[in-house]
Amino acid sequence: AQSVTQPDIHITVSEGASLELRCNYSYGATPYLFWYVQSPGQGLQLLLKYFSGDTLVQGIKGFEAEFKRSQSSFNLRKPSVHWSDAAEYFCAVGAPENYGGSQGNLIFGKGTKLSVKP
Amino acid sequence: DVKVTQSSRYLVKRTGEKVFLECVQDMDHENMFWYRQDPGLGLRLIYFSYDVKMKEKGDIPEGYSVSREKKERFSLILESASTNQTSMYLCASRQTAYEQYFGPGTRLTVT
Repeated sequence: AQSVTQPDIHITVSEGASLELRCNYSYGATPYLFWYVQSPGQGLQLLLKYFSGDTLVQGIKGFEAEFKRSQSSFNLRKPSVHWSDAAEYFCAVGAPENYGGSQGNLIFGKGTKLSVKP
Repeated sequence: DVKVTQSSRYLVKRTGEKVFLECVQDMDHENMFWYRQDPGLGLRLIYFSYDVKMKEKGDIPEGYSVSREKKERFSLILESASTNQTSMYLCASRQTAYEQYFGPGTRLTVT
């Protein structure tokens, strides 16, 4: 079964600084990978996704993520953080061979809370 | 744009009450999900439905039931609410093999 780990519970960065949020997964093959963002009191919004192909994926709000098979990672990056990026970020993994069926649900990490200093 | 709506943003109920949380999606998605979200525990799947009238238990189904009579609507039912069911409840929908879309959440407080 797949699993996902977000090692950092809370990260604080200064506005304008670069950001990298870590995500490691455990799975025997290449999974489907997702990053979601949750603003306080809101639902989750999809930032980006990886199914196959180019390992560097671009998302909304200026975010990107890179799939590294050798490291079982899918880290989220942004070159310059804005105060509005303060939120909680969730990485999720799905198993392609089960996806869409009753066994193919996403597994979510426990989230990384991002704070932005002025 | 895909839209997933939930009937209430905030709800306060008393212990022992029967509680209905409603979720509606407008994109003809086959799969729908109910999660609860608690600090430090992340998202935990309660139930999901892969078709009308079809459901499967997730990781924490105890104390909950669900109903899906129409494709666009998925209801979560707390038969007898308890204080340990105070939480944020998130509904999501998905077209097979694609990403999930989430509603805004319902923050339920059981007193």
